[in-house]
Amino acid sequence: AQKVTQAQTEISVVEKEDVTLDCVYETRDTTYYLFWYKQPPSGELVFLIRRNSFDEQNEISGRYSWNFQKSTSSFNFTITASQVVDSAVYFCALSELKRGSTLGRLYFGRGTQLTVWP
Amino acid sequence: KAGVTQTPRYLIKTRGQQVTLSCSPISGHRSVSWYQQTPGQGLQFLFEYFSETQRNKGNFPGRFSGRQFSNSRSEMNVSTLELGDSALYLCASTLTVNTDTQYFGPGTRLTVL
Repeated sequence: AQKVTQAQTEISVVEKEDVTLDCVYETRDTTYYLFWYKQPPSGELVFLIRRNSFDEQNEISGRYSWNFQKSTSSFNFTITASQVVDSAVYFCALSELKRGSTLGRLYFGRGTQLTVWP
Repeated sequence: KAGVTQTPRYLIKTRGQQVTLSCSPISGHRSVSWYQQTPGQGLQFLFEYFSETQRNKGNFPGRFSGRQFSNSRSEMNVSTLELGDSALYLCASTLTVNTDTQYFGPGTRLTVL
C-alpha cells in the first residue's frame, strides 16, 4: 500500500535560517510520482514540484531545493534563507502512474507546519 | 489563465441535510478530483472524474457522490450530513491522462452543526 510519512509535525525557525522538511514514502510500484504542495492559511494547496520515480536528479529553484533518494525512499525539501512568507503547512504526496489512467489519486502525508519568525 | 474555482467558499448546514459543492477546473483541463481535509484524518481522496466518468473512488460511504458535466465542471454531493463531515473540501484539476500535476482550488469549508 502507498504511504507517505512526514515525521515533523511542526518546525519553527527564525528568518534567514535554512530548513529541511522530511518526507519518506512507501510504494510497491516501480513507477510513481512525488509531489510537494504548500498550504498557506488561505487553504489552497499550491503546487511546488513534481518528480517521477525515474528521475533522481535533485533540483534547485531559487531558495527551494529537493533531494530525491530512491535508496532510502525519501524526498526531502529544503528552503534556504527562510522568510516569514514561507510560513505554511507543507505536504508531501505520492501518486501511482497506471497505464491509461490519470494521476488521479494522491496519497498525502500529514503535513509539516512551518513557522518562520521575523 | 484562471485557476480552479470552487463555490461556495463557506457553508453551514445542520445534521441530516444534504449539500452540493461545485468545482470549475482550469480551462482545458478534463479531469477533476475531490479531497476531504480534516484535522483528524488529514487529506483523503474522495473520487476522480474524467470525461464525465468516475475513474477512481476513495474509501468513503455512499452518502458521498459526485458527477462531472460535459464542460468538465464537477459537483459533489453529501447526503444526510453528519457532524464528522465538517471539513475543507478541495477540488483539483488535471489536464489529461498520464500527464501533469493536480492543481487545487481554494476549497469549500463545510461546517455541520
